[in-house]
Amino acid sequence: GQNIDQPTEMTATEGAIVQINCTYQTSGFNGLFWYQQHAGEAPTFLSYNVLDGLEEKGRFSSFLSRSKGYSYLLLKELQMKDSASYLCAVRPSGGGADGLTFGKGTHLIIQP
Amino acid sequence: GAVVSQHPSRVICKSGTSVKIECRSLDFQATTMFWYRQFPKQSLMLMATSNEGSKATYEQGVEKDKFLINHASLTLSTLTVTSAHPEDSSFYICSAATSYEQYFGPGTRLTVT
Repeated sequence: GQNIDQPTEMTATEGAIVQINCTYQTSGFNGLFWYQQHAGEAPTFLSYNVLDGLEEKGRFSSFLSRSKGYSYLLLKELQMKDSASYLCAVRPSGGGADGLTFGKGTHLIIQP
Repeated sequence: GAVVSQHPSRVICKSGTSVKIECRSLDFQATTMFWYRQFPKQSLMLMATSNEGSKATYEQGVEKDKFLINHASLTLSTLTVTSAHPEDSSFYICSAATSYEQYFGPGTRLTVT
């Protein structure tokens, strides 16, 4: 079966740092994605990890540990516009030919 | 590059009618397209995988006779919700895949009254 867990909601302060965790148990693994989704809009791609370690991309970083079935998304220098849902998704196998399995998303609230 | 469009962006229909949603990859060819559904405050759920020129593969619990998928070309896939009911009201999102990436369309908000 497929199971992806992430916190339902988090609150952070503008200018601070927040870490959103994701754990997964899936039948097969070929990459983990993080997406940002604003209410009523489609997800936008943030990051992709397939090997263990940290991927940094501006204010956003993503980490993966395949042995632990664990990833996190780190957001630095938080801005009000970062208030959104953040979705963790796993590609079970293959390349682009497999649909993604999504977690329920973490609703991030940024306070002034 | 890698732009995916969906049409319409928003549709309201009466119960019992059918609605067609188009998904197009504008600047690349996608051998595989995916259809997802998202209910309020829920995550995206994969409904079906659509390959050009062949029948779609549906996820467990998704009725293939209700959600008709046609992938007639490498840049166009359509999802038709037949005999729509209020419980079909949802946000439908397509994605188009290359060898390694999936690019999401902007989504279609369907409301069935």
